[in-house]
Amino acid sequence: GAVVSQHPSWVICKSGTSVKIECRSLDFQATTMFWYRQFPKQSLMLMATSNEGSKATYEQGVEKDKFLINHASLTLSTLTVTSAHPEDSSFYICSARASASNQPQHFGDGTRLSIL
Amino acid sequence: DAKTTQPTSMDCAEGRAANLPCNHSTISGNEYVYWYRQIHSQGPQYIIHGLKNNETNEMASLIITEDRKSSTLILPHATLRDTAVYYCIVRVARNSGNTPLVFGKGTRLSVIA
Repeated sequence: GAVVSQHPSWVICKSGTSVKIECRSLDFQATTMFWYRQFPKQSLMLMATSNEGSKATYEQGVEKDKFLINHASLTLSTLTVTSAHPEDSSFYICSARASASNQPQHFGDGTRLSIL
Repeated sequence: DAKTTQPTSMDCAEGRAANLPCNHSTISGNEYVYWYRQIHSQGPQYIIHGLKNNETNEMASLIITEDRKSSTLILPHATLRDTAVYYCIVRVARNSGNTPLVFGKGTRLSVIA
């Protein structure tokens, strides 16, 4: 149980385009979803926390107008990287947790984004 | 949430037990210890978590000292597929459930044939 599906797994696109990444909890309802970013040889860095039906909370230094997060249902959150540039190339990972607060977070397999 | 300290890297022979230590000396009474691992180019995988009692599941055992200031993750019979970065994370269980896991640098475990 507790499967988080992330799509696409990798994407290559030209500079200036927007990219949408989907994160779905397949067998549980995720009140809260989290988005992380990971650069090569570094640890995961939290970008934002989103709750179903409300605005996401962004970490310091993360531009909310560049990284649009929508959490429209208890099983789906999306991250849109708008007007992507080469410096946005990274490994983006979503995570979800069921409503019980001490339950573990479960992670998707990540999306490798390469901007040319 | 309390900070954790882990060795940067460890080696383990295939088939032997891998014991990964974690120090969390500032842990408070309502904070859980979580362990995750990340195999190259994949998302983190949940392993185990505990509050004060030792825990065991099909993947690993978690030993927490009586004063809760440190813990050890034990993989009883390490295989090559256990090669990964292992993260020890302390997190308070708040009612809102909004608090995310914050990752440190973890321990890079290399299982050697």
